[in-house]
Amino acid sequence: NAGVTQTPKFRVLKTGQSMTLLCAQDMNHEYMYWYRQDPGMGLRLIHYSVGEGTTAKGEVPDGYNVSRLKKQNFLLGLESAAPSQTSVYFCASLGQGANTGELFFGEGSRLTVL
Amino acid sequence: RKEVEQDPGPFNVPEGATVAFNCTYSNSASQSFFWYRQDCRKEPKLLMSVYSSGNEDGRFTAQLNRASQYISLLIRDSKLSDSATYLCVVNEHYGQNFVFGPGTRLSVLP
Repeated sequence: NAGVTQTPKFRVLKTGQSMTLLCAQDMNHEYMYWYRQDPGMGLRLIHYSVGEGTTAKGEVPDGYNVSRLKKQNFLLGLESAAPSQTSVYFCASLGQGANTGELFFGEGSRLTVL
Repeated sequence: RKEVEQDPGPFNVPEGATVAFNCTYSNSASQSFFWYRQDCRKEPKLLMSVYSSGNEDGRFTAQLNRASQYISLLIRDSKLSDSATYLCVVNEHYGQNFVFGPGTRLSVLP
């Protein structure tokens, strides 16, 4: 069972470069999320989606864009990377009606912006 | 003020000890509450949900006090394998935003 898969797992960018992080889930979940985790700050929500074709802003959306063209995929884009975007990015999914509140996370993507 | 606050830690305890973690949240409209566990350089995983009446899962007991907006996690008979960061998580609207606390790191020492 793959669960939630993130690619790439590691990436180094130069300031101003662009990139896309891909999140794929095989659990037919409706809800998907992108978080970033920085030391001492916990996970902060960037963007989320409540279903195919929908996206919404989270707590820290600036500098990021997302798309959910297919239910199983949620893409996070950085158009012009900045050093402040150096972080660990986690994708998560949640099934509709699953009242346990169990978020399933990917293994994380470590991004360094020089 | 952060939406979800936790004990700053780290907690260093001997094997077999009982340890308690505290968490407070600012949004009184929050609907559901959880404890997640995160091992070093790994993704968070659900430890347990927290119910109004309190709930227990083996050595772990979670309590919720809505009036005080306070959540706790008690670990009895600590094991070396309990060493991790414990994240308090609050959900305001189902499926929308799960707000994470900064976490409290626990090290169980032999």
